[in-house]
Amino acid sequence: AQSVTQPDIHITVSEGASLELRCNYSYGATPYLFWYVQSPGQGLQLLLKYFSGDTLVQGIKGFEAEFKRSQSSFNLRKPSVHWSDAAEYFCAVAGSGGSYIPTFGRGTSLIVHP
Amino acid sequence: KAGVTQTPRYLIKTRGQQVTLSCSPISGHRSVSWYQQTPGQGLQFLFEYFSETQRNKGNFPGRFSGRQFSNSRSEMNVSTLELGDSALYLCASSLEGGVRLGVLFFGEGSRLTVL
Repeated sequence: AQSVTQPDIHITVSEGASLELRCNYSYGATPYLFWYVQSPGQGLQLLLKYFSGDTLVQGIKGFEAEFKRSQSSFNLRKPSVHWSDAAEYFCAVAGSGGSYIPTFGRGTSLIVHP
Repeated sequence: KAGVTQTPRYLIKTRGQQVTLSCSPISGHRSVSWYQQTPGQGLQFLFEYFSETQRNKGNFPGRFSGRQFSNSRSEMNVSTLELGDSALYLCASSLEGGVRLGVLFFGEGSRLTVL
């Protein structure tokens, strides 16, 4: 069965600092990987996705993520965080058993200090 | 293009009652999925409907049910409510099946409180 681990429940960064949110997945074949963001009181919004090809994927709002098969990771990065990036971030994996229903991690809450 | 619309946004029920939540997907999207979000369990998949058929189902008891209409609008129903059913219920639509199911467009959710 597929699963996702986001080791950090909370991350605090200063505005303008770089950001890396960790995501590790468990899946036997080539996974389909996603990062979603949820602002307070809102639904989730897709930031970026990896299906195949280039392991460094670019997303919206200046985010990028790198797929590393050897480490079973798909970490999310941003070079300079803005106060508006404060939100909950979810990593998800899909592809197991042919259903392609994504399994979400528990989320990482990003706090941005001015 | 209008996004995914969920109604009602907030509701309060008492134990033993039932509730029906509604979801209107993005126009042209035929797949509708439902998720339960709680602080303790995170996002848990409930079920997915495609062309009026339940195509995938999560590990929830039979009290949780859903359906999809010919216009792709979907409803989910929870009967005999329990305190633990208090959660944010999120609906998400998707353009097509296969891997694209992972590319979900979420509504803002229906927050259910069970007293």
